Amino acid sequence: DGGITQSPKYLFRKEGQNVTLSCEQNLNHDAMYWYRQDPGQGLRLIYYSQIVNDFQKGDIAEGYSVSREKKESFPLTVTSAQKNPTAFYLCASSHGQLATNEKLFFGSGTQLSVL
Amino acid sequence: LAKTTQPISMDSYEGQEVNITCSHNNIATNDYITWYQQFPSQGPRFIIQGYKTKVTNEVASLFIPADRKSSTLSLPRVSLSDTAVYYCLVATLAGNNRKLIWGLGTSLAVNP
Repeated sequence: DGGITQSPKYLFRKEGQNVTLSCEQNLNHDAMYWYRQDPGQGLRLIYYSQIVNDFQKGDIAEGYSVSREKKESFPLTVTSAQKNPTAFYLCASSHGQLATNEKLFFGSGTQLSVL
Repeated sequence: LAKTTQPISMDSYEGQEVNITCSHNNIATNDYITWYQQFPSQGPRFIIQGYKTKVTNEVASLFIPADRKSSTLSLPRVSLSDTAVYYCLVATLAGNNRKLIWGLGTSLAVNP
């Protein structure tokens, strides 16, 4: 089955700890995205990547880092600098053709909580 | 850039038609409008997309007036399983990038 796989489903972070969320896709998509979702705040863009080895900050990139070494993978690291990391994190991908009718495909999300 | 605004919540009953309207006053000429559905603890999934007039698929219809400053997602004869959050999205081009402008979502509760 083609799709996007996020892992783990649930993750707990201790204070001062960095944690990494995994996102893998086998859709052969060039573009990948990370969103953060808090209750009542919709989807807020953290980082996006239009192509391998390139990525751009989104609206709330502070305290997060990403890498895009492979087309299929776009891991997100939540660093200790992110003081309020508890949220639902969503990874998405799209073809990457810069078209306004391009559809996004989402993973099933990772719920990150602070111990 | 377009800003998307949609109601925070709506209530309905099984078998009714539900219409959710999103306003996007500053939509640009080439922007498309897309709607997604999200269930708790899952990622959003595509429902329908349109540019103008009316689009219909097996799950919904999308009505877009001539001025394109709003769009209405129509769910015919809803069931309990349609209880979800519905997001309006306007995609626009900003230079060499595509910018995705999400609404805050409309939480639809379908009651028996």
